[in-house]
Amino acid sequence: GENVEQHPSTLSVQEGDSAVIKCTYSDSASNYFPWYKQELGKGPQLIIDIRSNVGEKKDQRIAVTLNKTAKHFSLHITETQPEDSAVYFCAAEAYNFNKFYFGSGTKLNVKP
Amino acid sequence: EAGVTQFPSHSVIEKGQTVTLRCDPISGHDNLYWYRRVMGKEIKFLLHFVKESKQDESGMPNNRFLAERTGGTYSTLKVQPAELEDSGVYFCASSKLDTQYFGPGTRLTVL
Repeated sequence: GENVEQHPSTLSVQEGDSAVIKCTYSDSASNYFPWYKQELGKGPQLIIDIRSNVGEKKDQRIAVTLNKTAKHFSLHITETQPEDSAVYFCAAEAYNFNKFYFGSGTKLNVKP
Repeated sequence: EAGVTQFPSHSVIEKGQTVTLRCDPISGHDNLYWYRRVMGKEIKFLLHFVKESKQDESGMPNNRFLAERTGGTYSTLKVQPAELEDSGVYFCASSKLDTQYFGPGTRLTVL
């Protein structure tokens, strides 16, 4: 089955700096890669996703890159703000299998 | 449009007791999923319903866990009897296609 590894487990940045979270996956059949943000006391919320036919996707301050050959994908947050502080999860889904395999999460702390 | 809701938000029970968690998916979503996160680890898949049918239950830990989705609407996840290692946060998610929308989770503590 799929195995998703996520690094780092914790990340502390100064407000205004960039944050990068990296994930690797093992199953070359995986073709959908969502990123979720979980704030305290809430469930994971989808913030951005990318499919295997695209190398990069951007939405305002958030971008995701995908390297299918190397089987890794990354989340980039620019101009970080205190409200970006949360736990971020990457996930991978194999085509037509529907279930997600999640990374272990990255706790991002943005210091004002 | 209402999101995925889960009840209760917290449950504290003793080892050997029974607990039932409930999930109400987004209206119109045929796909419903249960996941679990044990302290500090990854969110792990438990099972997937398509309408009222179990599509994939490969993640269910053992036969102490029973999930149902009668009528293809809300779902329940029963743990009987609960063990210490069942503690964690149980998430429900629903989807029409790929994108899964998660509920706030139920934090289960087994003492």
